Amino acid sequence: GAVVSQHPSRVICKSGTSVKIECRSLDFQATTMFWYRQFPKQSLMLMATSNEGSKATYEQGVEKDKFLINHASLTLSTLTVTSAHPEDSSFYICSATEGGETQYFGPGTRLLVL
Amino acid sequence: GNSVTQMEGPVTLSEEAFLTINCTYTATGYPSLFWYVQYPGEGLQLLLKATKADDKGSNKGFEATYRKETTSFHLEKGSVQVSDSAVYFCALSSGSARQLTFGSGTQLTVLP
Repeated sequence: GAVVSQHPSRVICKSGTSVKIECRSLDFQATTMFWYRQFPKQSLMLMATSNEGSKATYEQGVEKDKFLINHASLTLSTLTVTSAHPEDSSFYICSATEGGETQYFGPGTRLLVL
Repeated sequence: GNSVTQMEGPVTLSEEAFLTINCTYTATGYPSLFWYVQYPGEGLQLLLKATKADDKGSNKGFEATYRKETTSFHLEKGSVQVSDSAVYFCALSSGSARQLTFGSGTQLTVLP
């Protein structure tokens, strides 16, 4: 149980385009979802916390207009990187909780912006 | 604020060797403590957790004990396998939002 999927697993896009990443909880209802960014050989950096039906809470230094987060249902959250640039290239990981404190992580999405 | 300090890597061991990865933390309140493992190209998997002082989390031969007096949660395994090669993250969870604060990660390589 407690499986979280992400789609796509890898995406390559041109600079200036927008990319949407989906995060789904497959076998539980996720009251809260988190989005992280991970640079090579580094730890995870929390970008935002998303509760179903409400606006996401962004961490300091994360541009909310650039990283749009939508958590429209209890099983789906999306992260849209708008007008992507090469510096946005990274590994994006989501996690979800069903109300408790344990977070279940997705497999990650590797974004490469050319 | 909360912080997690983890033993610097990389760590290279021979198969069947004893493993210790040190983790200490600073937190307000009463955090829960976690170890996550990340295999190459994948997301994080929960390895074990402990929610209060003196609790011992264990899974797949790995153990860690929540030591409030030393603010530590060191990860141990008595006999590592090649398949244990991965990056290990220590983390704590606290506050109403239960956000995770991660350590920097420790790369473990086990040689046959």
